[in-house]
Order: sequence, then C-alpha cells, then structure tokens
Amino acid sequence: EVRLVESGGGLVKPGGSLRLSCAASGFSFSGAWMSWVRQAPGKGLQWVGRIKSKIDGGTIDYAAPVKGRFIISRDDSKNTLYLQINSLKTEDTAVYYCTVGRDWGQGTLVTVSA
Amino acid sequence: DIVMTQSPLSLPVTLGQPASISCRSSQSLVHSDGNTYLNWFQQRPGQSPRRLIYKVSNRDSGVPDRFSGSGSGTDFTLKISRVEAEDVGVYYCLQGTDRQTFGQGTKVEIK
Repeated sequence: EVRLVESGGGLVKPGGSLRLSCAASGFSFSGAWMSWVRQAPGKGLQWVGRIKSKIDGGTIDYAAPVKGRFIISRDDSKNTLYLQINSLKTEDTAVYYCTVGRDWGQGTLVTVSA
Repeated sequence: DIVMTQSPLSLPVTLGQPASISCRSSQSLVHSDGNTYLNWFQQRPGQSPRRLIYKVSNRDSGVPDRFSGSGSGTDFTLKISRVEAEDVGVYYCLQGTDRQTFGQGTKVEIK
C-alpha cells in the first residue's frame, strides 16, 4: 500500500523559511516522479513542482509563481521528498500535498502570518 | 504555460441523473511520445484529492464505472452516468503533458 506522509508545516512569519518533508513507502521511491501540490484555504489545487527520478535525469520543474523561492529535492536513501520554501509570503498559506501517480498524502498546513 | 479551463464551475445535479464537466486546454495535450496526459481528480469535502481517470479515459482501480473520461487534443469531458450522494465534491482536470496545470475545479452538489 502506497503511503505518503507530509510533515514540517506550521506558522511562519512573512520572509521566513520552512522545509517540508514527505515520507514515502509502499512503492519504489527511487524510480518515481514526485510532485508537490498546494491548496490555499477554500481555493483550488495548484501544482507547485515535480522532480523526476534520477534514472530519468532527476529534472526539477516548478510552477511560475514559486520558481526561484521553492526548492524541491529528494533523498532516495531515505525514501523522502522535500520542499524548501524561502521568502515566504502570505499568499503561500496553503495545505501542501505530495503526490505520486494516483496517490496523495494527507497534506501539511503552512500558515504565513505576522 | 498551458492554461486549463473547466466549465461549469458549479454543477447542481439531481440524484440518479447524469452530469458532465468540460475541460479545455490552451494548447494540444498530445505529448511527443503520443500519449495525452489528461487526468481527472475528485476531492470530497475534507479529504485529499483522489485520481479517477488518467490519460483521458483510463479509470483508476476502485473507481465506479459510472465515471468515464473522453476527449482529445484540447477538449476533454468527465461524465458521471448517474450521480450518487457520495459524488458530491470538487472535480479537477490536470494536464501533465507540459509540466502540470490544474483546472479551476467544478463543484458538484445535489439539488
């Protein structure tokens, strides 16, 4: 059974940084293309970015609104996906999900407020 | 970036009646590998999204056969043959041909 567990969310002041983690199990993590998706309160889903498997080149793509501030990485030895969020803005307040194929985690809430 | 436009954004339906959601892309979703990466997701209230359909018309395992996907190029449709109470939620299309983009979402509610 695929399991994705996000962690690392919380309350952060504007301009701050946060690193989210997604612990994966139940599938071959090293061969998977992993994505981050976020959802602001009461809003729709927004794709944040994706990292390909190393065997497929390890390319990382980002959505335009987050490029330059967000960094996606992976540690295949730990079966863990990361999202480093820098220079946080109030509009980054959202539940952040990690996804692979059809599977989603339960999400972790990031709140940016002074 | 590819823009995905869903319609309608709100869809009141009667139990047992069909429902249809349209999703249009700003450019063709046919990938250079020949596949069309258009998926549909359902998000029930308070839950994480769940994928229903992948590559236009392939139903994920465990998804009731009242859900079907169709379309090609830039125009795609999700149909529910007979709406049930558990189908209430927001439905999103997602293109994965050029990076990824979600549609705005369509809220399905019971009349």
